[in-house]
Amino acid sequence: QKEVEQDPGPLSVPEGAIVSLNCTYSNSAFQYFMWYRQYSRKGPELLMYTYSSGNKEDGRFTAQVDKSSKYISLFIRDSQPSDSATYLCAMSAGGYQKVTFGTGTKLQVIP
Amino acid sequence: GAVVSQHPSRVICKSGTSVKIECRSLDFQATTMFWYRQFPKQSLMLMATSNEGSKATYEQGVEKDKFLINHASLTLSTLTVTSAHPEDSSFYICSAEQTGFDYEQYFGPGTRLTVT
Repeated sequence: QKEVEQDPGPLSVPEGAIVSLNCTYSNSAFQYFMWYRQYSRKGPELLMYTYSSGNKEDGRFTAQVDKSSKYISLFIRDSQPSDSATYLCAMSAGGYQKVTFGTGTKLQVIP
Repeated sequence: GAVVSQHPSRVICKSGTSVKIECRSLDFQATTMFWYRQFPKQSLMLMATSNEGSKATYEQGVEKDKFLINHASLTLSTLTVTSAHPEDSSFYICSAEQTGFDYEQYFGPGTRLTVT
C-alpha cells in the first residue's frame, strides 16, 4: 500500500464548476499537508499548505484536512480553463522529514 | 515570493558523458535542497536530500556515485549525472526548503535531460 493515494484522473469539468480533488494517506505521523499545481513540463507550484486538521481558504481554493479519516481535499470554485493542470497532494511529518507526494490528478477545465 | 531557478532547462547529451544541473534559491537561504526525478505521467520521486556543507542523503535505489550532489552554499546545489545513459533521460526537478520553514518546499522549473 502506498503512503499516499491519489486518483490520477483525468478529471474533466465544465468552466465554472466546483472541482474536488482528494488524497488519502496511511501515515498518521503526517502533520503538514500541501497541494501543488504542475503545468505540463514545468516544476510544481505550491498552492496551499495546512498544518494538522482544519480548513484553509485562499481565493477560489479551499484545502481541507481530516486527520481522523486520513483524508485531504482541495476544492476549486468557479473553475477556469487556466486551472487545467496536474494537482499533486503532498504531506510531511515535519521536523525535516521528507515530503511524500501523491501521483497527481490531471484536471481539465473545458470552456 | 520564494523563487528557485534551475539551469539548464533542457539538455541533450551523448551516452557516456556527464551533465551538471544547477539549482539556486534566488531570494532566500536554503539549508536543505531536494532533488527529484519525474518520469512521464508519474509522480515526483525523491532522489536525494542535500544539506549545505554536508554529504547528501540518497534514497534507496539511487546510486550516489552516479548522481553526484554538491551543496556548497546556502543558495546553490548541483546535481551531476555521471556517465549518462538513455535510461537516465527524465525530468529532474530541485526544490529548496526555506531555512526555518520545514514544510514549504519551493520548486525549480525543472531540467529535461535527454541522453542519446
